[in-house]
Amino acid sequence: DVQMTQSPSYLAASPGESVSISCKASKSISNNLAWYQEKPGKANKLLIHSGSTLQSGTPSRFSGSGSGTNFTLTIRSLEFDDFAVYYCQQYNEYPITFGSGTKLEIK
Amino acid sequence: QVKLLQSGAALVKPGDSVKMSCKASGYTFTDYIIHWVKQSHGKRLEWIGYINPYSGGTNYNEKFKSKATLTVDKSSSTAYMEFSRLTSEDSASYYCARAWWVMDAWGQGASVTVSS
Repeated sequence: DVQMTQSPSYLAASPGESVSISCKASKSISNNLAWYQEKPGKANKLLIHSGSTLQSGTPSRFSGSGSGTNFTLTIRSLEFDDFAVYYCQQYNEYPITFGSGTKLEIK
Repeated sequence: QVKLLQSGAALVKPGDSVKMSCKASGYTFTDYIIHWVKQSHGKRLEWIGYINPYSGGTNYNEKFKSKATLTVDKSSSTAYMEFSRLTSEDSASYYCARAWWVMDAWGQGASVTVSS
């Protein structure tokens, strides 16, 4: 199975700041990586797929980069609505696997 | 809009089975596969498997092959997952998600608690 190592597991930031979350795959997954946002009481939301392609409706302050084994999610100019848990997911091969999540909290 | 409405929380006894549902609306049910994902408290998401509503074809994570059974009812645009021989390790939230190649819409989750 492809192991997805996501870091940090916890991040505290203030509105207006920028943050980055890392996701490393145990082997190359090309660009078959997605980022999701999890918020209490809401369905998980696909933010980015194919490593860097914004899903329709995702604000442009979100960006994804990387290919192969190293990927990054960057959120610029944080807004209150962005404080949530973020997961990476590889869908290059089965079984699909996820990162362990990053909880982004308000500082 | 696309919605995946999952069945409610379940409290079941060890050794029992539970069948949860995922009713799709807002799109053609047979055009997308349905994935199922497990999230235990404090643990990462785990992919259970998927079903192709058009063909009925399935693909399971080896870890859940003897535990989960995925089915669909095309007439009601509903996907089902049955989890059998439940233990405390199966207490978790379970999500359905539709996918073309990536999971682009998720259900709200269904909580299963296994307790005597």
